[in-house]
Amino acid sequence: AQKITQTQPGMFVQEKEAVTLDCTYDTSDPSYGLFWYKQPSSGEMIFLIYQGSYDQQNATEGRYSLNFQKARKSANLVISASQLGDSAMYFCAMSPSDGLTFGKGTHLIIQP
Amino acid sequence: KAGVTQTPRYLIKTRGQQVTLSCSPISGHRSVSWYQQTPGQGLQFLFEYFSETQRNKGNFPGRFSGRQFSNSRSEMNVSTLELGDSALYLCASSPYGPRDTGELFFGEGSRLTVL
Repeated sequence: AQKITQTQPGMFVQEKEAVTLDCTYDTSDPSYGLFWYKQPSSGEMIFLIYQGSYDQQNATEGRYSLNFQKARKSANLVISASQLGDSAMYFCAMSPSDGLTFGKGTHLIIQP
Repeated sequence: KAGVTQTPRYLIKTRGQQVTLSCSPISGHRSVSWYQQTPGQGLQFLFEYFSETQRNKGNFPGRFSGRQFSNSRSEMNVSTLELGDSALYLCASSPYGPRDTGELFFGEGSRLTVL
């Protein structure tokens, strides 16, 4: 069985600072994918970034980067230069499984 | 390009009733999956459909069912509603086949309240 652990229920960060959201995972599958999604108050899940287990380099998408440490089974999301619009719930997820397996999420609040 | 559309967005039912939720995927996407989101359990996978066939199913009772039509639109049904079924039900579509790693495109969800 796969498991995702997000240990930060909530975070307050000053605008323009960098943010690191923690994610650790557990799986016996040799091939897997790791995802980060953002969920604003509207409810829609917005895809941010993807990392494959065999990817040699850390994934980056604009202000988002994924700090993938395979041996430690961690896949932390780094948001550079945070903005007020980054305030939302953030979920780490992994595949393959019967559907994506999600963590409990981190509620990020960006303060001006 | 239109996104994933879920209807209705909000609904209120009473215990014992049944409910049907609808999801229209992004055009060309053949995979549709459903998730239940509650404050206590978080996001949990319900089932996935690909080309009208249920390919995967999560650990939910038989009261939860779904189907997919030839145009890839999907419906899920919950019968004999219980208070614990109150949740945000999210639909996601993907152009990839089952068990392919790939991005999921989510709708805004249907928020069900059971009284």
